[in-house]
Amino acid sequence: GIQVEQSPPDLILQGGANSTLRCNFSDSVNNLQWFHQNPWGQLINLFYIPSGTKQNGRLSATTVATERYSLLYISSSQTTDSGVYFCAVEGGSQGNLIFGKGTKLSVKP
Amino acid sequence: KAGVTQTPRYLIKTRGQQVTLSCSPISGHRSVSWYQQTPGQGLQFLFEYFSETQRNKGNFPGRFSGRQFSNSRSEMNVSTLELGDSALYLCASTRQGEQFFGPGTRLTVL
Repeated sequence: GIQVEQSPPDLILQGGANSTLRCNFSDSVNNLQWFHQNPWGQLINLFYIPSGTKQNGRLSATTVATERYSLLYISSSQTTDSGVYFCAVEGGSQGNLIFGKGTKLSVKP
Repeated sequence: KAGVTQTPRYLIKTRGQQVTLSCSPISGHRSVSWYQQTPGQGLQFLFEYFSETQRNKGNFPGRFSGRQFSNSRSEMNVSTLELGDSALYLCASTRQGEQFFGPGTRLTVL
């Protein structure tokens, strides 16, 4: 099946810094989503981005489907950005998202 | 529009018991997927329902089952609970390929 690898596994930033999270996947995908998991466990949708570039405030994402990777950019990080960021892809099986292991981000004030 | 809701939010059971979790999707969404999250295995797909039919199933034992009702609400059942079933169970409803998750049910098996 499709493999999803995220890097780095852990990231510590000073508030105000920028960061780039990477997601590599092993095969063609139909969909790709980025999520932020809050401390209570809920997955918050950040981007639905099977290809191309999108921006939402301080966050942006780019997926290069032909090269099988996606990047999530966080600019001017804030303590509220702390948490785990997941990349998930859907391959040939509908409704089945395959998740990476996540990047744990800690932003210090 | 209300989001995905899951009940109960927290549950404590003992080994050997069974449990039923409920998920109500976003209004108008007909597809519901279920996932298990554990520290060791991460987020894993359980199954997906669309219009009351199970379309896909993950690699879990038969103790894990589910169903979907005509109003798209879904339930999952775990029978003969084991300690390893302690996890956060998340459901998601889908619109045009994008999945939206509920807050989860945290199950503890003692």
